[in-house]
Amino acid sequence: KQEVTQIPAALSVPEGENLVLNCSFTDSAIYNLQWFRQDPGKGLTSLLLIQSSQREQTSGRLNASLDKSSGRSTLYIAASQPGDSATYLCAVPTGNQFYFGTGTSLTVIP
Amino acid sequence: GAVVSQHPSWVICKSGTSVKIECRSLDFQATTMFWYRQFPKQSLMLMATSNEGSKATYEQGVEKDKFLINHASLTLSTLTVTSAHPEDSSFYICSAADSGRAGADTQYFGPGTRLTVL
Repeated sequence: KQEVTQIPAALSVPEGENLVLNCSFTDSAIYNLQWFRQDPGKGLTSLLLIQSSQREQTSGRLNASLDKSSGRSTLYIAASQPGDSATYLCAVPTGNQFYFGTGTSLTVIP
Repeated sequence: GAVVSQHPSWVICKSGTSVKIECRSLDFQATTMFWYRQFPKQSLMLMATSNEGSKATYEQGVEKDKFLINHASLTLSTLTVTSAHPEDSSFYICSAADSGRAGADTQYFGPGTRLTVL
């Protein structure tokens, strides 16, 4: 069974800092890996989808990398803003099911 | 893009009552839909896989008689929480897999339903 872990569980940074969120997974037989954002009490917003054949994917200030062989992915957020405050989840579809990480709760302090 | 809706977005009910949550794929057909549950400050956990026209597949530890799933059409799956109790209070999120595209990577998530049982 796929297990997905995210570190750190919580992170608080001052506005403007660059930061890295980490995700690890145990089964490397994946189609892709997705990063989601979840605001309190809300659903999921898909941020980036990185295919298993890709090494990284970029969208604006976000950059996700994937090292399938080591079972790791990172989400890099550049020049963080207070509006980035949310919980970030990585998810790995294995078979027909999504396995979610435990999430990183990010607070960007103005 | 593909859109999945959920109704209601939030519901408060008394203990012992049943609550139905709908999940709809608005612009695509979904042979398979998934129901997740998320407790406060925890991640999403898959409860069951809903298959159109057949019985749902439940994950270990999920009571099928308590969480009734019906997937009667290619665009609608319903989750009914029967005889709800306070411990069932949670955030329920569905996702739908686009039948026109193979693979779990083509799932689209609904906005979630917040259930509070008093």
